[in-house]
Amino acid sequence: DTGVSQNPRHKITKRGQNVTFRCDPISEHNRLYWYRQTLGQGPEFLTYFQNEAQLEKSRLLSDRFSAERPKGSFSTLEIQRTEQGDSAMYLCASSFFGGSSSYEQYFGPGTRLTVT
Amino acid sequence: GNSVTQMEGPVTLSEEAFLTINCTYTATGYPSLFWYVQYPGEGLQLLLKATKADDKGSNKGFEATYRKETTSFHLEKGSVQVSDSAVYFCALSGSARQLTFGSGTQLTVLP
Repeated sequence: DTGVSQNPRHKITKRGQNVTFRCDPISEHNRLYWYRQTLGQGPEFLTYFQNEAQLEKSRLLSDRFSAERPKGSFSTLEIQRTEQGDSAMYLCASSFFGGSSSYEQYFGPGTRLTVT
Repeated sequence: GNSVTQMEGPVTLSEEAFLTINCTYTATGYPSLFWYVQYPGEGLQLLLKATKADDKGSNKGFEATYRKETTSFHLEKGSVQVSDSAVYFCALSGSARQLTFGSGTQLTVLP
């Protein structure tokens, strides 16, 4: 298994533009999480999916943010009308949940977004 | 809500020194506790975990014990190496399953 992958690794965009990030989780994992990490801080939870169902969204996830996991495999995170405050590292993680799961999450390398 | 408070950094040590990074938490119920490490230019990696009180997680010479009475999960290593230089994050997972992270501690080990 190659682990969790994220694309693109870096994205520079102008304020007001829309951006979309992709996450491919570890293949047997049914849970997928999105986090945001700003410089000097720990990651903050945004949302998570179990299979294709989005089960929870943080208050950090404003109306400009939308996430999907259409077939329960890869996921996309879209930010509409980007603002400078959206500049951050966006992290994806996956885990297997069920039975005697230990809830370990495995993280991808992240997508660094810079809004100019 | 859940929260994690981590020792402020940065921490600079000489090779073979003893390392302690303090972590305390606030949570309802019985969270699982984790230490993640982020090496320069790389993603977060799980270093060790503990799922119940008095459990000791260990990996690569690092250890941490889940102390419910003091709500702590301090990270220790007896002899650090230059290759341990990284940012270390304490985290917890409660009933909602998502991780709550501390702010991270930058460790630099000098030869």
